[in-house]
Amino acid sequence: EVQLLESGGALVQPGGSLRLPCAASGFTFSDHGMSWVRQAPGKGLEWVAFISGSGSKTYYADPVRGRFTISRDNARNTLYLEMNNVRVEDTAVYYCVKFDGDYVLYTMHVWGQGTTVTVSS
Amino acid sequence: QSVLTQPPSVSGTPGQRVTISCSGSRPNIESNHVYWYQQLPGMAPTLLINRSNQRPSGVPERFSGSRSGTSASLAISGLRPEDEADYYCAAFDDSQTVWLFGGGTRLTVL
Repeated sequence: EVQLLESGGALVQPGGSLRLPCAASGFTFSDHGMSWVRQAPGKGLEWVAFISGSGSKTYYADPVRGRFTISRDNARNTLYLEMNNVRVEDTAVYYCVKFDGDYVLYTMHVWGQGTTVTVSS
Repeated sequence: QSVLTQPPSVSGTPGQRVTISCSGSRPNIESNHVYWYQQLPGMAPTLLINRSNQRPSGVPERFSGSRSGTSASLAISGLRPEDEADYYCAAFDDSQTVWLFGGGTRLTVL
């Protein structure tokens, strides 16, 4: 069974940093692209970033480009989101999402349960 | 970044058929498949419609998807109380190389 377990959510001050891990199991991690998608309180879904199976290709949404970094450790079956210079508007539940293949145009197929990041002074 | 446009809310009575529209443009919906996600209250989203019109295993036949030009739609027939949820469309945008989500549609079963 595919499982995605996010962690690392916390209360952080504006301008601060945070790293979110997502532990994956139940599939060959390196064969699949992965994304982070977030949802601000009471709002809709917003795609954040994508990384290919090898980690060689990454894509970012404009609001986070230059501040957030998506990465992966295939030996540890773990996806990461490094968040720097966070803003109040980054407050959201962050979901780890598995694609059904190693390509950005494939399906965002399986979602984790999410981890909550709150940016506030 | 541009978004895909959905109605904020739709409603129907048990047994009825409802549709949810998703309007985009050439670089996204016209060029790539559309995906639909269901988010039940307090839960993570789940894939409802794959590649514009395919139902993943376990999704009832009551749910169907279609795409034409720059628009797509999700139809739910035989409405049931447990269908009450938020529904999101999504598509990749070739010109911006980003994934786009619609704003979400809240379905209320009266």
